[in-house]
Amino acid sequence: EAGVAQSPRYKIIEKRQSVAFWCNPISGHATLYWYQQILGQGPKLLIQFQNNGVVDDSQLPKDRFSAERLKGVDSTLKIQPAKLEDSAVYLCASSLAGAGYEQYFGPGTRLTVT
Amino acid sequence: KNEVEQSPQNLTAQEGEFITINCSYSVGISALHWLQQHPGGGIVSLFMLSSGKKKHGRLIATINIQEKHSSLHITASHPRDSAVYICAVSEDSNYQLIWGAGTKLIIKP
Repeated sequence: EAGVAQSPRYKIIEKRQSVAFWCNPISGHATLYWYQQILGQGPKLLIQFQNNGVVDDSQLPKDRFSAERLKGVDSTLKIQPAKLEDSAVYLCASSLAGAGYEQYFGPGTRLTVT
Repeated sequence: KNEVEQSPQNLTAQEGEFITINCSYSVGISALHWLQQHPGGGIVSLFMLSSGKKKHGRLIATINIQEKHSSLHITASHPRDSAVYICAVSEDSNYQLIWGAGTKLIIKP
């Protein structure tokens, strides 16, 4: 079974630039999560999708972050414009369904904003 | 007080030693997860358990629901086990994951 795929693996941008991350979940997984992990901290949930609908985006900085999962499969997370404090690892995870199901994580995208 | 507490924060041991990492939590949970994160950033789920004990290779995870405590054990530790081990709980009210701060494990050859 293929795992969760993410790209790019690494990205370096200057502040005020835009960046987009892509995630392809495990086939058949209805729920997709985007997490932000700042160095030395645990992951913080940014947004949770159930199929193509948003379940929870309470911690997503909506003035600069956006995410979509148009066909209920792949998802993109965009930051526009980026700030220095956005430097982090962005993790995508998927699960068969939402409540109580095991989450499978992708390798993450390490973003550095200079 | 954090809802999920891990100990120790850092652990350095010699190859072959038996390793124990502890996790205590204060909320009602539907499941507890142990995850492994290597320096590159990717996270691998090791165990998800809601009762008893699970074993996978040299890794053993136990949970005591009454005491709200879980342990992750590594037998015959190896330098490739060096990573951050994270405990996370699925809260039973909303199933969101609450993350511990992680335990950084270094196994020296």
